[in-house]
Amino acid sequence: DADVTQTPRNRITKTGKRIMLECSQTKGHDRMYWYRQDPGLGLQLIYYSFDVKDINKGEISDGYSVSRQAQAKFSLSLESAIPNQTALYFCATSDPPPTDTQYFGPGTRLTVL
Amino acid sequence: KNQVEQSPQSLIILEGKNCTLQCNYTVSPFSNLRWYKQDTGRGPVSLTIMTFSENTKSNGRYTATLDADTKQSSLHITASQLSDSASYICVVSATNGAGKSTFGDGTTLTVKP
Repeated sequence: DADVTQTPRNRITKTGKRIMLECSQTKGHDRMYWYRQDPGLGLQLIYYSFDVKDINKGEISDGYSVSRQAQAKFSLSLESAIPNQTALYFCATSDPPPTDTQYFGPGTRLTVL
Repeated sequence: KNQVEQSPQSLIILEGKNCTLQCNYTVSPFSNLRWYKQDTGRGPVSLTIMTFSENTKSNGRYTATLDADTKQSSLHITASQLSDSASYICVVSATNGAGKSTFGDGTTLTVKP
């Protein structure tokens, strides 16, 4: 079974709709992350969480919010989706420092029409 | 500002040939450097991780080198296979307590028969 799972894997929605992407992990890691990836570009950090009570904004947090429901669960919400949020979204967990190796989920492909 | 630059942006080689991908970074203070392989539409998978004291690390046909003085790393792929076709991402972490990583935009490698 995959260590990091994401649901849904694909989603098509309309402008203005609220969308939630969910992430679960079985690695027992405290650290979790949400990234977006646009075609041909690198990963951009949206939000990260170092434990259940710790939530931090990343480079591109505007238009997004997150919820860390438990150590194993980290959800990303788009409050009012817009077309330029069409992208591939990845959830990840990481080993603690100094290793910091990240383990990524399979991704959610989101299309906002 | 922490930055990671990768070159070339894309590369096409014939099956069986070797290739080398480059990564230059300005992340400071340096903690570790990781190379990931990302197949199209999937999450990145860790290949190697190197700390300041390590200057080479191998994982099968993949060999990463690190020169912490010049802040350069390379990923050498030996005897390429069609399955090596992917994006290769260089990621550098700093030791400033934030635990965030800086991602390069990746090099897209295409291996042709």
